[in-house]
Amino acid sequence: QPVLTQPPSASASLGASVTLTCTLNSGYSSYKVDWYQVTPGKGPRFVMRVGTGGVVGAKGDGIPDRFSVSGSGLHRYLTINNLEEEDESDFYCGSDYGSGNNLLGVFGGGTKLTVL
Amino acid sequence: QVQLVQSGAEVKKPGASVKISCKTFGYKFTDNYLFWVRQAPGQGPEWMGLINPDAGVTTSVAKFQGRVTMTRDTSTNTIFMEMRSLRPEDTAVYYCGRVTFDFSSGYIFDYWGQGTLVTVSA
Repeated sequence: QPVLTQPPSASASLGASVTLTCTLNSGYSSYKVDWYQVTPGKGPRFVMRVGTGGVVGAKGDGIPDRFSVSGSGLHRYLTINNLEEEDESDFYCGSDYGSGNNLLGVFGGGTKLTVL
Repeated sequence: QVQLVQSGAEVKKPGASVKISCKTFGYKFTDNYLFWVRQAPGQGPEWMGLINPDAGVTTSVAKFQGRVTMTRDTSTNTIFMEMRSLRPEDTAVYYCGRVTFDFSSGYIFDYWGQGTLVTVSA
């Protein structure tokens, strides 16, 4: 099954840009990954899906254009431009495998984004 | 507007059971699979299992089989997750979520509940 690895923390200044990274384990370079944003007291919010060709499908509800994704090899990236205070949250990547009743999800350990 | 609303926080003693609810709004309940995930303090989310609300069929990962029961009530568009024989290491935020499938994107976990904190402590 895929294993997703994320650095535990990232930081950038208000108004700047930041790129978060999610790395798949060897052999899973074709896998797409989903990004989720989690703020205290709220459940995970689907941001968007990314493969090696970039975004796959539609963004999650209300996700601003400041959020974009890209992918290369085993790495999947989430870039946030023009950082705002409200962007400070935990970001997780996730993937699915299997299908139908045998569908399973796997998730990275998360990256805590601090907006300075 | 799709919403998943979970029941409130629980505090349980080791060996007890807990039952969490997840009420859905804004779409046809039987059209989408629903899942349960938990997140222990300082860790990433951990998949627990899946329920097909139409047929009531459930699957769960081996770690939780025999200790977790997932059910649904189609009259109230609600799913439930019951965990027995609770241990301190079961302390976590438990989330429900919805699965959407389309042929271009595949499976997307597109909407999640707000989470239910379960604390297991003597």
